[in-house]
Amino acid sequence: EPEVTQTPSHQVTQMGQEVILRCVPISNHLYFYWYRQILGQKVEFLVSFYNNEISEKSEIFDDQFSVERPDGSNFTLKIRSTKLEDSAMYFCASNLRANEKLFFGSGTQLSVL
Amino acid sequence: DAKTTQPPSMDCAEGRAANLPCNHSTISGNEYVYWYRQIHSQGPQYIIHGLKNNETNEMASLIITEDRKSSTLILPHATLRDTAVYYCIVRVAYNTDKLIFGTGTRLQVFP
Repeated sequence: EPEVTQTPSHQVTQMGQEVILRCVPISNHLYFYWYRQILGQKVEFLVSFYNNEISEKSEIFDDQFSVERPDGSNFTLKIRSTKLEDSAMYFCASNLRANEKLFFGSGTQLSVL
Repeated sequence: DAKTTQPPSMDCAEGRAANLPCNHSTISGNEYVYWYRQIHSQGPQYIIHGLKNNETNEMASLIITEDRKSSTLILPHATLRDTAVYYCIVRVAYNTDKLIFGTGTRLQVFP
């Protein structure tokens, strides 16, 4: 079965640094998402992206966050100036059509020190 | 989207059917019931979804009551690999892209 691939699996950074989390969605999918899960807490929606623009975002997704699809295969999440509270597992997801089942990647564990 | 209520944890013997309930008493007519699961800290995995008819696929069956206020996810022959957190999510199709995850049911399958 096709997979959503995320790199790196673990990322450690210093507070205030910029990080870019990378995702390769399933090749023919058109809708892309980022979710995150702070340790021991719920999975939270961050942003959805379609047709090269953000279609929906949560309150968490403030000006420090941005997403980009720089080429035909990658989908990235950038955190401009990381905070301690950004430490979480970040999941990328994609689907072929809106409201169909989401395929999630295995996540990037971000640790901000 | 309608709120869901699930028991925090359940146990099931390996090989037996696991029946996971979900209450969604405020569900609207155009809201679907979705089930996802999360094994350890992996990404959530889609299981099944339905509107009002019962559904079955290779992973599970979904039974929705006639009044649609509750549903049950059935894993017919649970294995140790089915140990996971199971999330029941109610959402309106064609209204929003996002899934709102609750705390789910932690299913422990034991030998």
